[in-house]
Amino acid sequence: EDQVTQSPEALRLQEGESSSLNCSYTVSGLRGLFWYRQDPGKGPEFLFTLYSAGEEKEKERLKATLTKKESFLHITAPKPEDSATYLCAVQAAHSNYQLIWGAGTKLIIKP
Amino acid sequence: NAGVTQTPKFRILKIGQSMTLQCTQDMNHNYMYWYRQDPGMGLKLIYYSVGAGITDKGEVPNGYNVSRSTTEDFPLRLELAAPSQTSVYFCAIQGIGAPDTQYFGPGTRLTVL
Repeated sequence: EDQVTQSPEALRLQEGESSSLNCSYTVSGLRGLFWYRQDPGKGPEFLFTLYSAGEEKEKERLKATLTKKESFLHITAPKPEDSATYLCAVQAAHSNYQLIWGAGTKLIIKP
Repeated sequence: NAGVTQTPKFRILKIGQSMTLQCTQDMNHNYMYWYRQDPGMGLKLIYYSVGAGITDKGEVPNGYNVSRSTTEDFPLRLELAAPSQTSVYFCAIQGIGAPDTQYFGPGTRLTVL
């Protein structure tokens, strides 16, 4: 069964304290792995797509990496405005573009 | 929100009432999706459409219906609302930039009492 698990469920950091969020996946043939950011009361906002193991993408303080079993979202020197829930989703090769979503990691950055 | 409009933003229904959640896009994209998001859970796909006149069930379609008469609109119909349908509903479109990426509307928060 295709599955996505995100950890931790919640993460509290001090401003400037770097860390990583994990997205573990089980899928029969990965077409793509997606990271989204979601602010309270808003729809998910697209961040990155990763397609193959070893691929990395960066945007400001965020860097996403991918292996054959998991993806990490590294946050370097975070600021309070990075506080949000970060969602991970995978698309299986057989899925006709449907996504399987993790439950998300709620990130809180304290000033 | 990437050209995706959802109405209403909030709604309270009584058990057994019906309503339609509206989703409209101005990007002329073929693929559209309806998701529900419950606290602490991942997004669940309700229905999707690959073009006007073509719809298909997702993971949790029971209690919902959709139609796609135009490229722009993809309404979600709730018949006989139940408390289990209390959730936040998101419409998404696909096709901007990276071809597999989905872009989301602002959501509709629905409470069934």
